[in-house]
Amino acid sequence: QSVLTQPPSVSGAPGQRVTISCTGSSSNIGAGYDVHWYQQLPGTAPKLLIYGNSNRPSGVPDRFSGSKSGTSASLAITGLQAEDEADYYCQSYDSSLRGVFGGGTKLTVL
Amino acid sequence: EVQLVESGGGLVKPGGSLRLSCAASGFTFSSYSMNWVRQAPGKGLEWVSSISSSSSYIYYADSVKGRFTISRDNAKNSLYLQMNSLRAEDTAVYYCARERMATMANDYWGQGTLVTVSS
Repeated sequence: QSVLTQPPSVSGAPGQRVTISCTGSSSNIGAGYDVHWYQQLPGTAPKLLIYGNSNRPSGVPDRFSGSKSGTSASLAITGLQAEDEADYYCQSYDSSLRGVFGGGTKLTVL
Repeated sequence: EVQLVESGGGLVKPGGSLRLSCAASGFTFSSYSMNWVRQAPGKGLEWVSSISSSSSYIYYADSVKGRFTISRDNAKNSLYLQMNSLRAEDTAVYYCARERMATMANDYWGQGTLVTVSS
C-alpha cells in the first residue's frame, strides 16, 4: 500500500482534459514538501514531468500542469493525445526526508 | 548529455548479496544528490535510498534499512548500492536517478538493472 494515494486508472478521449489526483497526509504533502510527477511509458524509465508542484522541465509540453493544495496534489493533462497513454506517478517526501511515491495511475486514451 | 548507466543486477539466492553500480556522465556528479528507486515486476515505483553530494546525508526506506548501503565515489563519478540479506520481495528493476538541485525531484534516470532474488 503506497503512502500517497492515486486512482489506479483514468481515461479520456483525444483532445479532452483529464486530471490525476494524489492524496497524502500531514506527514508528507501537508507538511509542506513539494510534489513531483513522473510519466512512465511502457518498458521505459520514468521521466520527470512536473517538479516543485507546478513547474515543467524544459521540453515538457504546457499541456501538462500541476497544482497542490493542503494534503493533495493534481496533475492535469489537456488536449489529450495518444502518446500520453502511460503510467503516471506522484512523489513527495516525509518528515524523515524519505521519498514516498503514489501507487501510479494508468492513463488510457480512448 | 546527462547519462546514468546501472550495472550489477542479476539472479541471486535469498540471503545473498549484490552490489549495484551507476556510472554517471555529462554533468558534475559531485554537485548532485543521487537516489535509488526500484520497481517490482508489474508494480509501482518505490524509493529506496538517497545520498547527498558529499555523502553527508544518507536516507533509507524502512524496507531496506539495515540491509542495503548506499555510497558514492565522486572521483569515479559513480553511485553504488550494496544489497545484503536479499529477499524475494527485493526482486525489482533498480534505477539510479539524479536529484534536480534544490527540488528533490529526480530529473534524470538510468535505464535500470534487474535484480531477481530466487532459489
